Amino acid sequence: EAGVAQSPRYKIIEKRQSVAFWCNPISGHATLYWYQQILGQGPKLLIQFQNNGVVDDSQLPKDRFSAERLKGVDSTLKIQPAKLEDSAVYLCASSDSGGGEETQYFGPGTRLLVL
Amino acid sequence: SQQGEEDPQALSIQEGENATMNCSYKTSINNLQWYRQNSGRGLVHLILIRSNEREKHSGRLRVTLDTSKKSSSLLITASRAADTASYFCATDAVQGAQKLVFGQGTRLTINP
Repeated sequence: EAGVAQSPRYKIIEKRQSVAFWCNPISGHATLYWYQQILGQGPKLLIQFQNNGVVDDSQLPKDRFSAERLKGVDSTLKIQPAKLEDSAVYLCASSDSGGGEETQYFGPGTRLLVL
Repeated sequence: SQQGEEDPQALSIQEGENATMNCSYKTSINNLQWYRQNSGRGLVHLILIRSNEREKHSGRLRVTLDTSKKSSSLLITASRAADTASYFCATDAVQGAQKLVFGQGTRLTINP
C-alpha cells in the first residue's frame, strides 16, 4: 500500500512570510497527526485529527499555526507569519483509528528553513 | 514537554557488535514504542511493549520495560551498517489524551 505522502520536501522562506504543507495519509486511516521536529530533538505533536475533527491541538501555536483536514482525508498545515524558530522538519503521520497502541505511519517530512 | 529521555545521546560501535539504548520516562504509561529514523526520512515503527510486559523480541531487536524504574531498553544484536539511524522511544501516558510523546533520541552509528 502507498505510504503517507507529503509535499513539498523542502521549503526556504524569509521570516514573516507564510508557508503551507500538504499531507495525504494512508488510505482508510481515520487519524492524522502533524509533528514538528527541531534538529536534534524528537518529534513534538502539534495537532491530531480524527476524521475531520480535532482531537488534540494543545501544543499548536494557534496565533501563527493553523491546520485543517477537509473531508477527513488530506490535510494542510499553515504557518503565518513564520518565525526563525519555526525552522524544523514537519512530519505527518497517520494511523488506523488513533488508539494509543496503534502504529503511526510517518511521511518523509517537509524540511523548513526560515531565514 | 518530552516525556522520554534516551541515553546515550550518541553511540558509535563496530559492525557485528550489540547496541543498547535506554529510555527513561516520568509518568505512568499504557505502552512504550520504539521508532527508527534514518537520515532525512520519516520515522518507522519498530516495536511496542505494553505496561504489563517485561520483555519483547522482534528479529534482532529486544526490548525490556521496567515500570518500577520507569525505564526501557532497546538492544540491537549483531548490528549492521543499515542500522545506522536515530532511535526514539515514545510513550502513551495513562493520564491525558491518547497521544505519543517522543524522547530526544539516540543517534546510532555502525562503523564497517
